[in-house]
Order: sequence, then structure tokens, then C-alpha cells
Amino acid sequence: KNEVEQSPQNLTAQEGEFITINCSYSVGISALHWLQQHPGGGIVSLFMLSSGKKKHGRLIATINIQEKHSSLHITASHPRDSAVYICAVRSGSGGGADGLTFGKGTHLIIQP
Amino acid sequence: NAGVMQNPRHLVRRRGQEARLRCSPMKGHSHVYWYRQLPEEGLKFMVYLQKENIIDESGMPKERFSAEFPKEGPSILRIQQVVRGDSAAYFCASSPSPSGGFWVYEQYFGPGTRLTVT
Repeated sequence: KNEVEQSPQNLTAQEGEFITINCSYSVGISALHWLQQHPGGGIVSLFMLSSGKKKHGRLIATINIQEKHSSLHITASHPRDSAVYICAVRSGSGGGADGLTFGKGTHLIIQP
Repeated sequence: NAGVMQNPRHLVRRRGQEARLRCSPMKGHSHVYWYRQLPEEGLKFMVYLQKENIIDESGMPKERFSAEFPKEGPSILRIQQVVRGDSAAYFCASSPSPSGGFWVYEQYFGPGTRLTVT
């Protein structure tokens, strides 16, 4: 069973700051997801990655397979980035064990 | 292309009643996943289905819970004889079928159904 740990649990920062959220997992995976959950509860998939780095706008996600670690970065943070950011891993490679295992989430608040 | 649809968005049931939660995957997606988020807790995997087939139900409670994804129509998560502890947000996600030797596709989440048991 994969254990997914996120840090920090809570993060409050000022608008414009560079944000880093970390995720570690215990067992090899086929993919890692970063998700965003807003106060209204809806979940948006930000990234799915299995190696290297991906960038979308002000968001960057990296993963180090050997170290079983991923980071989500937000550049030039804005109050609208305030949300819960969730790391989730997928252990299977088709045909089973494809459900995601989730971290507890990082509650991010960006103050103006 | 409509996203993943879930209905109802909010459902209130009395203890002992049945709850039926529906999920329509994105067009072209034939894989559906159900997740549960208990109050103040993280998301937990429940079940993974393809059309007419349960692939992985390792996260489903052994009793009262069942899921199906028929050939036609939405996927249904059914909770019989609900109890207060079933109150949670239930999310559905969908992904395309694996093909071309590529097995891992992104999962797209629905807006969730918030079940309240009174």
C-alpha cells in the first residue's frame, strides 16, 4: 500500500511569493497527479506526470522517480490560488490498482 | 465536450434509506472511478469500473455499498440502509480506455455529490 505524505499541511503566504508544496510516496508508481480543490469542493486536475517536469502557466510540477518525490511550484502567487492542493499517486499500469492514493492535501492561503 | 457529470449534487437521506449516486463520464471515456471524501479527511479510492465490469473494488466497504457501470447509461454508486457515517462527498472520475500500449491516462473529476444522512 502506498503512503503519500504532503508538506506543509498549511501554508499562508503573501501575494507574489513563490510557493512550493512537496509530496513523497513510499512505493513505485506509474503516475502522479496534482489536484486542486477549491472551497466549493470541486476538484480540478492540474498535472499528471510520470517523469521530469511539466509547466502550465504559473504552475510547475516536477517529479524525481528515484527519490519518490514530487514538488508543485506556483510562481507569482495570487489570492485566487488559495485552495487545497492534493498529491495523488497511481500504482497500477492498467487492469487493476489504478485507483489513486491521495495525500491529505496542503491548505494554501495567499493574502493580498 | 461536456465534463464528468454527477447527480444529484446534494442528496439528503434519513438513516436506513437508500442512496443512489450517478456519474456520467466524459464522452469517449469508458473507465470510471469512485472516491469518497469524509468530512475533514482526504479522498479515498472506492472502486474502479469499466463498462459492465468491476476492475478493482478494494476500497469499497464490504456491506451496503455496490457500484455498476452498465453498457448504456451512467455509473451508479448505491448505498443501502445509509448510516450517519456515510455522510461525505462522493466524487467520480473518468478516463479513456488504455490503448496503443499506453496504460496511464489522466483522470477527470466530476463536481461531486454531497450526501447528508440525517
